[in-house]
Amino acid sequence: DGGITQSPKYLFRKEGQNVTLSCEQNLNHDAMYWYRQDPGQGLRLIYYSQIVNDFQKGDIAEGYSVSREKKESFPLTVTSAQKNPTAFYLCASSRLAGDLREQYFGPGTRLTVT
Amino acid sequence: QKEVEQNSGPLSVPEGAIASLNCTYSDRGSQSFFWYRQYSGKSPELIMSIYSNGDKEDGRFTAQLNKASQYVSLLIRDSQPSDSATYLCAVNYGGSQGNLIFGKGTKLSVKP
Repeated sequence: DGGITQSPKYLFRKEGQNVTLSCEQNLNHDAMYWYRQDPGQGLRLIYYSQIVNDFQKGDIAEGYSVSREKKESFPLTVTSAQKNPTAFYLCASSRLAGDLREQYFGPGTRLTVT
Repeated sequence: QKEVEQNSGPLSVPEGAIASLNCTYSDRGSQSFFWYRQYSGKSPELIMSIYSNGDKEDGRFTAQLNKASQYVSLLIRDSQPSDSATYLCAVNYGGSQGNLIFGKGTKLSVKP
């Protein structure tokens, strides 16, 4: 089955610790994205990547870092510098060709930092 | 600031009725438009995409786009309780990035 996987589904960390969220896709999509969703809020873009070894900051990149060493993988690290890390994190991917550039989402990781 | 606006709801409709969800966007340069359905605690699921003015139908769903009015809507015919979810409108403003701007979503409740 083609799709996007994220792991783990739930993650609990103590304040001050860095944590890495996994995102893998086998859709052969060029572009990958990380979003954050808070209750009652829309999705906010953290980082995106259109090609291996290249990525761009989104609207709320502070306190986060990413890498894109393989086309299939786009892990997100939530660092201790992120002031409010507790949120629902969503990874998405899309083709770059074509007019629509539909984005498809993984199941998400719910991060709780105490 | 590019924006996508949706009524947060909740929008409550009886089973079998037509649910109408609306979305407005701020930038006339917008190229493509998407509707996602998000069940509570789950990730968004793409249900419709549209980029030409007019209507696009897929089963019980119809997306309507009016670029002159900067307005996109989603109609759900014969609404079912399983349609109860939050519906997110997303807009691609173009450019090379293909990035989407999301509205905050409209919560739909279909009553049996």
